[in-house]
Amino acid sequence: KNEVEQSPQNLTAQEGEFITINCSYSVGISALHWLQQHPGGGIVSLFMLSSGKKKHGRLIATINIQEKHSSLHITASHPRDSAVYICAVKGTGNQFYFGTGTSLTVIP
Amino acid sequence: NAGVTQTPKFQVLKTGQSMTLQCAQDMNHNSMYWYRQDPGMGLRLIYYSASEGTTDKGEVPNGYNVSRLNKREFSLRLESAAPSQTSVYFCASSELTGLLEKLFFGSGTQLSVL
Repeated sequence: KNEVEQSPQNLTAQEGEFITINCSYSVGISALHWLQQHPGGGIVSLFMLSSGKKKHGRLIATINIQEKHSSLHITASHPRDSAVYICAVKGTGNQFYFGTGTSLTVIP
Repeated sequence: NAGVTQTPKFQVLKTGQSMTLQCAQDMNHNSMYWYRQDPGMGLRLIYYSASEGTTDKGEVPNGYNVSRLNKREFSLRLESAAPSQTSVYFCASSELTGLLEKLFFGSGTQLSVL
């Protein structure tokens, strides 16, 4: 049983499309993170949120604590957005739980 | 600021060989982690260190040992490598900022055990 489920697993989009990646979790959390992993492997933190909505450039992250659900939106997608996007939650203990990732390919 | 520095980037071992993965962070973080990443699975916690001198087992600790000798460095040791330990390994550290905890990752180590 995975504490964090992401959908879709794979996503292909045309440049300019609006993209949504979903994350559902089953544990109590103190915070939720969206991470980006590029080919070559490095992982960077995009967002950290515990409520509401955050925006950074063309990226928007939302969380609904009651429904235990978060979404990552990318507006006006670009080929450089191609990466694996990982949802992670910090449980009430010291442990982070990670989704398996959504592999996004944006075609020019 | 280098962030989290992890070495080596690639390593090939024969079954039974030993090696140590090194990790250092220059952000004065208390919490450090070792994860492994396997195809089709999320990052899985191997060991965790809440502070200098303390370590705790994670989800998949068997076959690994860790050492947190000081606040900066957290090393992962494979005493007798097995093919099941072929994976990509990530070191991470975290910082509590207000109520939120921010995660920083090293660049990863791709390990193959033959």
